Amino acid sequence: AAGVIQSPRHLIKEKRETATLKCYPIPRHDTVYWYQQGPGQDPQFLISFYEKMQSDKGSIPDRFSAQQFSDYHSELNMSSLELGDSALYFCASSFRRNLAGLYEQYFGPGTRLTVT
Amino acid sequence: AQKITQTQPGMFVQEKEAVTLDCTYDTSDPSYGLFWYKQPSSGEMIFLIYQGSYDQQNATEGRYSLNFQKARKSANLVISASQLGDSAMYFCAMREGNSGYALNFGKGTSLLVTP
Repeated sequence: AAGVIQSPRHLIKEKRETATLKCYPIPRHDTVYWYQQGPGQDPQFLISFYEKMQSDKGSIPDRFSAQQFSDYHSELNMSSLELGDSALYFCASSFRRNLAGLYEQYFGPGTRLTVT
Repeated sequence: AQKITQTQPGMFVQEKEAVTLDCTYDTSDPSYGLFWYKQPSSGEMIFLIYQGSYDQQNATEGRYSLNFQKARKSANLVISASQLGDSAMYFCAMREGNSGYALNFGKGTSLLVTP
């Protein structure tokens, strides 16, 4: 079965640079979530999109922005990167329209971002 | 305030034994969902099992079962017949209400299965 695809899998950036993370949800899934997991931490919700509109907002810094495109893929744009942004960034997807999203949320393999 | 509490930072279990990973939650919303995920050292988050607040029966998925005690606000994960491949970090998470779908995670429990 198709899973959530994230690219790139690994990314190394320097402080103050920008980064773009991409997420391709499971086919037919209409909702995308972004989570940030710092080293040794639990995942923290950043932002979600349903049908290309922002749905919920968590602890996403103002330096970050995200959007969901017409093909349902999503991109997380991160600017003025700081050392503390080094983390594993997960994208998850669910099919919210038929309420399946209430009881399922599948995660991608994550993008490991290292800021030096 | 922490909405999901996992009190066991680390657990050991011998192969083929059963193990229970604790999870308590805090919500005033009558409608919520509880999830368990497994995170191996490779980093991916693997969905294991889900329990809805209105579900009458405890959820089961293969060797995984969820001991749901609503009055005590606990949702413990039971892994039967542990295997070496079960060694991983386990996260309990909660979705509150029917409108917000984002998950709130606990700090996790690191499980080590020994031969």
